[in-house]
Amino acid sequence: ETGVTQTPRHLVMGMTNKKSLKCEQHLGHNAMYWYKQSAKKPLELMFVYNFKEQTENNSVPSRFSPECPNSSHLFLHLHTLQPEDSALYLCASSQEGLLEQYFGPGTRLTVT
Amino acid sequence: GDSVTQMEGPVTLSEEAFLTINCTYTATGYPSLFWYVQYPGEGLQLLLKATKADDKGSNKGFEATYRKETTSFHLEKGSVQVSDSAVYFCALMGGSEKLVFGKGTKLTVNP
Repeated sequence: ETGVTQTPRHLVMGMTNKKSLKCEQHLGHNAMYWYKQSAKKPLELMFVYNFKEQTENNSVPSRFSPECPNSSHLFLHLHTLQPEDSALYLCASSQEGLLEQYFGPGTRLTVT
Repeated sequence: GDSVTQMEGPVTLSEEAFLTINCTYTATGYPSLFWYVQYPGEGLQLLLKATKADDKGSNKGFEATYRKETTSFHLEKGSVQVSDSAVYFCALMGGSEKLVFGKGTKLTVNP
């Protein structure tokens, strides 16, 4: 595997379910990000991890819970979501001091 | 706060046509500017960047010039191809070191 991978690519869940999104980066980077991409809206930064420590939480509801066990893996745990949480969730990584972020293909989440 | 405004689209062109996608920004200080591209079913990829005024970023025939006086970073390509069909995002990174994106412009190129 190369670059940034995300699983699953598609997820349908009910409002009472609990699920997790997984992201893995194979680039040796030390920062990882979760973004939400909704139709006709700019990408919204949700969480940032630097060296496994959470450095940013952009007022994200507690029904989204991130986890970063090491610098290569990032999870987004989901529970009791709402239909308006349906979106494409993108993971990205970067190396400290460099501008470019590398994005995964995203998980298309549908909440029914 | 920092923000990016880009033309909403969608934009539909014929192959070999000239492309311009406008992007303007609001930021304090001197941000770095980016164009990202998202092909169908994929994540975003960095297309080009510019880190200071009058810099020109270029890649794959696309160009954009950092214009501080007009706070703009318009994307251009002289002759588009069907394979350029994608969504294009203008973005900036300012003092917060976080990317701020525009809403994206969908480009469709017809043969």
